[in-house]
Amino acid sequence: DGGITQSPKYLFRKEGQNVTLSCEQNLNHDAMYWYRQDPGQGLRLIYYSQIVNDFQKGDIAEGYSVSREKKESFPLTVTSAQKNPTAFYLCASIRGAGNTEAFFGQGTRLTVV
Amino acid sequence: EDQVTQSPEALRLQEGESSSLNCSYTVSGLRGLFWYRQDPGKGPEFLFTLYSAGEEKEKERLKATLTKKESFLHITAPKPEDSATYLCAVYSGGSNYKLTFGKGTLLTVNP
Repeated sequence: DGGITQSPKYLFRKEGQNVTLSCEQNLNHDAMYWYRQDPGQGLRLIYYSQIVNDFQKGDIAEGYSVSREKKESFPLTVTSAQKNPTAFYLCASIRGAGNTEAFFGQGTRLTVV
Repeated sequence: EDQVTQSPEALRLQEGESSSLNCSYTVSGLRGLFWYRQDPGKGPEFLFTLYSAGEEKEKERLKATLTKKESFLHITAPKPEDSATYLCAVYSGGSNYKLTFGKGTLLTVNP
């Protein structure tokens, strides 16, 4: 089945540690997005990428980094510079040509311990 | 800057009581307006894409409509299983395509 897979589902990070969240899609979508969701805040855009080896900062990129070496993969690294990383992280991909649809993974819940 | 405002923030209905959710937007170069349903602890589930003013789409008890400034999600005779947060997002064009979300409407349907 085609879809978007995020892993892990739950992740615990110690203070000062970098962690990487995985996002893989087999939908052959060109564009991929990372969002952070906090209670009462809605979805806020962290980074997005339209093509391989190119990505743009979203509204809250500070403390995060991404790479796009393959069309199928868009990993997000939460660095120690992110002061409040505890949140629910969502990855999405979009088919922009023809009928536009945007699908999400099931999310990764990151907690700082 | 693209902006999306959803109202109301929360809506409580009795089973069978029809109502509408609103999504107002300002965007440069709308390529599509999306509606999603999100259950607690889950990723958003895609419902509809609307492309141009006057367009309507239906799925079971849900019907989405679009004007040049807003979109409505009409819920006809809702059931308790329709309880969820409903999210609206705009996909805008230009040199880089952004997907901007509203904060959502939390719908509760009581039996």
